[in-house]
Formats: sequence, structure tokens, C-alpha cells
Amino acid sequence: EVQLVESGGGLVQPGGSLRLSCAASGFTFSDYYMDWVRQAPGKGLEWVGRIRNKAKSYTTEYAASVKGRFSISRDDSKNSLHLQMNSLKTEDTAVYYCARDGGNSGWYLWGQGSLVTVSS
Amino acid sequence: DVVMTHSPLSLPVTLGQPASISCRSSQSLVHSDGNTYLNWFQQRPGQSPRRLIYKVSNRDSGVPDRFSGSGSGTDFTLKISRVEAEDVGVYYCMQGTHWPWTFGQGTKVEIK
Repeated sequence: EVQLVESGGGLVQPGGSLRLSCAASGFTFSDYYMDWVRQAPGKGLEWVGRIRNKAKSYTTEYAASVKGRFSISRDDSKNSLHLQMNSLKTEDTAVYYCARDGGNSGWYLWGQGSLVTVSS
Repeated sequence: DVVMTHSPLSLPVTLGQPASISCRSSQSLVHSDGNTYLNWFQQRPGQSPRRLIYKVSNRDSGVPDRFSGSGSGTDFTLKISRVEAEDVGVYYCMQGTHWPWTFGQGTKVEIK
């Protein structure tokens, strides 16, 4: 079955760090660019960042709101994607989705989401 | 970044009646390759987003034909011909023409 499964969410204090993971299965993970998209409680969808594939040298890009604090990595040998979040702020509280790039037509495959709560 | 604007933000509808959601972009979404990358997503309560329509009017596999998309340039519309109970949720337009891709703020569809 083609799927993405996130893990690693939880409660963290402001200024703290957290690492999310996304396990991919059912498709050739290494071929695809992968993204993180988040959704604050009761709010809309916000693209967080992207990591490209080996052919594109695993280059990354980030939304301005997280640049310098968040880092995306991948392990193609384990079909896994990671989001390292540092210097967390209360406004980073959200459900974080990993999603498989579908090119200009957006994301067709999404995970179930992982809730990150930043609070003291 | 391209700003996507929905209207209305809330849409109460009667079962079996049509519904229409408008999405406007701050720039033309015609790509240099000639395509217009305006996509629609549905998010039912408690679920992950699901893509319904891509490139303005192409329905994804498994999407009922009561959903249709139209528009050009900067103005786009998602229509539901006859709303069913399972259509309750938030609908987002998303542009894939100008990087980074951006979403609208969403339109919440609920049953009257």
C-alpha cells in the first residue's frame, strides 16, 4: 500500500527542539521530492519545506517562517524523511504533514499528520 | 509569494443543492509552459487534505463528477452540483505555478 506515516510529535517548551519522522512505503521513495506542510489549530495549510532527490543533490528549501530553525533530511536507504525543528515558538504549534511532491499539481499523497504543541 | 483569496470563507448549503467557491490569485497562474496550475483540495473534519482537482479542471481518480473546476488567469471556481453530507469540510485552492506553492485560506462548507 502506498502510504506515508509520520511520528515524533508531542509537547515541547518554547525554545526547545523536536524531530519528526515520516516513513514511506509502497513507492520508490528515492525518486521523489518530499515536503512538509503544516496546519495550525483551526487554520489553513502552510508549506514548510522541501527536500529534493539525489538527482537534484538533496537540495532543500524552506518557508521564511521557519528558515534557519528547521532542517529537512532524508534517508533513502530507509525510505524515511525527517524534520528537525529547533528554537521552537508557540506559533509553530500545528499538525505537521509529510507529503509526496506531485510537481506543479501539488501533493497527491499525504500522511496522517503529527501534532506538535509548543507551550510552557 | 502569490496570495490566494477565497470567497466566501463560510458556505452553508442545503443537501442536494449546488455550491460554488471562488478563488482569486494575486498574479496570473498561467505558467511559461502554457499550463495553469490551479489545484483544489478537500479536507474533511479530522482528516488529511485530499487533492480533488488539478490544473483547473481535471478531477483526480475517485472524485465524484459532481465536483467541477473552472477558471483562467487569476479567477477560478470550484462547483459542487448537488451537495452531499460527505462533502462537509474545508476546501482549499492551491497554486503550483509560482514557487513556493501557496494555498488559499480555505472555504468551510457546512450543511444548513
